[in-house]
Amino acid sequence: EAGVVQSPRYKIIEKKQPVAFWCNPISGHNTLYWYRQNLGQGPELLIRYENEEAVDDSQLPKDRFSAERLKGVDSTLKIQPAELGDSAVYLCASSLDPGLAYNEQFFGPGTRLTVL
Amino acid sequence: SQKIEQNSEALNIQEGKTATLTCNYTNYSPAYLQWYRQDPGRGPVFLLLIRENEKEKRKERLKVTFDTTLKQSLFHITASQPADSATYLCALAGGFQKLVFGTGTRLLVSP
Repeated sequence: EAGVVQSPRYKIIEKKQPVAFWCNPISGHNTLYWYRQNLGQGPELLIRYENEEAVDDSQLPKDRFSAERLKGVDSTLKIQPAELGDSAVYLCASSLDPGLAYNEQFFGPGTRLTVL
Repeated sequence: SQKIEQNSEALNIQEGKTATLTCNYTNYSPAYLQWYRQDPGRGPVFLLLIRENEKEKRKERLKVTFDTTLKQSLFHITASQPADSATYLCALAGGFQKLVFGTGTRLLVSP
């Protein structure tokens, strides 16, 4: 069975440019997460989806970040415009049951974003 | 403020020894604590979950303890191998269903 798929794996852009990341979760997983991981830090939650609904986006910088999960399957995270401080690894994860804190999360390989 | 602390310095041990990693937290009352492994260039991989009413959990060569009085979890790898070299992250989940990760500790097992 395929794991969580993310693309692209790497992205280099200049500041003020837009960028988008795509994630396809494990089939049947209703919950999808986007995390940001800075160097030497643990992942920090940006947004959590239950099916199509964003149930926790409190940490998403809404002035420049947006996300969508149409049809409750794959998801896109967008940054527009990107800033130097957005350089990080963006991780997507999914889990089976809706929002249960004890569920293990399955992570994709991440997209390493470098903003110049 | 809420804080999760893991040793930021790498832990270097010899093959065959037991590695012990710590996760301390303050201003939290987690119901669950999870441990993940992360290799360079990859996403974290789930290892173990322990609940607040459990003192200890084991899985093969891994053992996790959870002391809610000390606000600490210990993660042990017995008979460590070079393949165990990775960064290990603890993550706490409270009543609001959100998993909060520590900074991780890098483990290096030398042959």
